Amino acid sequence: GNSVTQMEGPVTLSEEAFLTINCTYTATGYPSLFWYVQYPGEGLQLLLKATKADDKGSNKGFEATYRKETTSFHLEKGSVQVSDSAVYFCALLETSGSRLTFGEGTQLTVNP
Amino acid sequence: GAGVSQSPSNKVTEKGKDVELRCDPISGHTALYWYRQSLGQGLEFLIYFQGNSAPDKSGLPSDRFSAERTGGSVSTLTIQRTQQEDSAVYLCASSLFPRGVGETQYFGPGTRLLVL
Repeated sequence: GNSVTQMEGPVTLSEEAFLTINCTYTATGYPSLFWYVQYPGEGLQLLLKATKADDKGSNKGFEATYRKETTSFHLEKGSVQVSDSAVYFCALLETSGSRLTFGEGTQLTVNP
Repeated sequence: GAGVSQSPSNKVTEKGKDVELRCDPISGHTALYWYRQSLGQGLEFLIYFQGNSAPDKSGLPSDRFSAERTGGSVSTLTIQRTQQEDSAVYLCASSLFPRGVGETQYFGPGTRLLVL
């Protein structure tokens, strides 16, 4: 079956530090890949997505590249802000499927 | 509508009681999904609706769980004879089309259920 593995958290960084949250997946076919973010007290919001190999999704300074050869979709940001503190979820959607399969989530805390 | 809405936002119930959770999807979205977010299990898929039918209900954890959708819009998730392990945040999502490549699912704020 499908699965998504994220790096374990929590992750604590200082403002303006570089962020990487690793995400690898197992799936048949050619899934679409997503990063969702959950800010404190709020629902899940789409951060970025990529639908095919070598696509780069980007939003709000965050980027992730769909790497089929390494089955990865790592999230990066060059300079984090306190407002980026949230839980980040990597997810995949099968080509022929309807359900999202989520990773465990990574709690990020950014200190001033 | 502006976004996916869910009600109630919080629900406290006693073990053995039935509960109903409601979801209003974004207007015009044909697909609707229910997920559960709990500490021990992370985010789990429960059921998916295309229009008023449910082609995939394989994620429902037991026969105490059921869901329906009417008019291609509002959906209700019902949990009968609630148990403490049902305590979780129940999330609803909708998308414009089902089974589209890279189709984005938009999530509601969730209903936090606590079974005492």
